[in-house]
Amino acid sequence: DTGVSQDPRHKITKRGQNVTFRCDPISEHNRLYWYRQTLGQGPEFLTYFQNEAQLEKSRLLSDRFSAERPKGSFSTLEIQRTEQGDSAMYLCASSLERTAEAFFGQGTRLTVV
Amino acid sequence: GEDVEQSLFLSVREGDSSVINCTYTDSSSTYLYWYKQEPGAGLQLLTYIFSNMDMKQDQRLTVLLNKKDKHLSLRIADTQTGDSAIYFCAEIEDKFYFGSGTKLNVKP
Repeated sequence: DTGVSQDPRHKITKRGQNVTFRCDPISEHNRLYWYRQTLGQGPEFLTYFQNEAQLEKSRLLSDRFSAERPKGSFSTLEIQRTEQGDSAMYLCASSLERTAEAFFGQGTRLTVV
Repeated sequence: GEDVEQSLFLSVREGDSSVINCTYTDSSSTYLYWYKQEPGAGLQLLTYIFSNMDMKQDQRLTVLLNKKDKHLSLRIADTQTGDSAIYFCAEIEDKFYFGSGTKLNVKP
C-alpha cells in the first residue's frame, strides 16, 4: 500500500535555519494539499497544487514559505529563517480531481528551538 | 470564509453509541468528510458523504446530513476503546475546511 508519504517525520531546527519537507502523493493523484496543524486545532490550509500548477496559497502564509511540485508528482515545502511560531505538524494530502477520496500523510512535526 | 464548528469533547462508555456533531456554512460544498486523528499521527479518512445525500452507512459508522440546517453528524455504533481519538469534520470547496475537532474519550 503506497499511501501519501511524508519525510521527515520529525524535524528539530534552530531558529533562523531553513527547513524543507517532502511529500510523495498517491501516484495517480493530481491534487496535492499542504496543511499546518498546531496543538488543539484543526488543520489550517497553506497551499494546493493541481498537477504542477500552484492554484492557491493562503494569505496567512508569509513570504518565508514556498512550495513546489515541479513535475506534478512529489512536492516540497520550504520554510526559510524559521521562527518558534512555525513549530507545528505539517500535513500533506492528495486526491484525484472530481473524486471524493482525499488521503493524508502521517505529517512532519517541526520543532523550532 | 467558510466556518466549520464542532463540540470539543465527548465521553461515552464502551459499547454505547457515540454521536459527533458538526455545523458548516458553505452550502456549495460538494462533499463532507469525517477524519480520525490519533495522537501524533496524520488524519485517517473515515467516511464522506456527497452533498445531495441524506445518509450514508458504512459498517459501524452512520453519517447524517441535514443540508437545510447545514448540520452533519457521525454516529459510531458499539463504540470501542480503540475509537478514542480526535474526529474532524471537513467540507471541501477546492480545498478542505476543517473544524477544531471533537475529542472522543471511550471509558471501559
